[in-house]
Amino acid sequence: RKEVEQDPGPFNVPEGATVAFNCTYSNSASQSFFWYRQDCRKEPKLLMSVYSSGNEDGRFTAQLNRASQYISLLIRDSKLSDSATYLCVVNIKGRGYNQGGKLIFGQGTELSVKP
Amino acid sequence: NAGVTQTPKFQVLKTGQSMTLQCAQDMNHEYMSWYRQDPGMGLRLIHYSVGAGITDQGEVPNGYNVSRSTTEDFPLRLLSAAPSQTSVYFCASSPGLAGGPSYNEQFFGPGTRLTVL
Repeated sequence: RKEVEQDPGPFNVPEGATVAFNCTYSNSASQSFFWYRQDCRKEPKLLMSVYSSGNEDGRFTAQLNRASQYISLLIRDSKLSDSATYLCVVNIKGRGYNQGGKLIFGQGTELSVKP
Repeated sequence: NAGVTQTPKFQVLKTGQSMTLQCAQDMNHEYMSWYRQDPGMGLRLIHYSVGAGITDQGEVPNGYNVSRSTTEDFPLRLLSAAPSQTSVYFCASSPGLAGGPSYNEQFFGPGTRLTVL
């Protein structure tokens, strides 16, 4: 079983639609959670961190359910510029000297927003 | 700041050749890592480092070596290239675990596209 799994894509939606991405993680030692965005053939960039209480940044809302080991990202009022691949990322706690842990990426979910 | 830089941008190797992918950051970040990205596989962690002189293996370390002699540089060495190592390689850095989740933001370089024939 992969440590981080995301909805298989692609998602094709019209402008203005609301779209939700889901992600599950298997390691209960996971301590931090993120959504990254990756445009075609570019490097990933941080979209938002995910907090236990849930957090919102404009049209984007992230939720975390530690009991179910589940993370979600909701995009409201989709724009053409939202077309990209969205990566669910989990930081797994390190051991010993490696208190920084390591980041494990999901395989990504591609979003295509059409006019 | 230049951020995270990677060289070369593109490389073609023959099976059995060795080479080093260069990565440097000028943000004084403690944590650096190497990923490879293959279609449908997402990014997979190869090796990472939590500071100069300290490295550890990620998910797919076989066939790769790293060292971290300075805070700024984190080169990735392919010992004997194989076609299975054809991929896009990303280097990333972050300030390290100094506090809340924001310190774990990874800043990525532009990537190296490697083809092994």
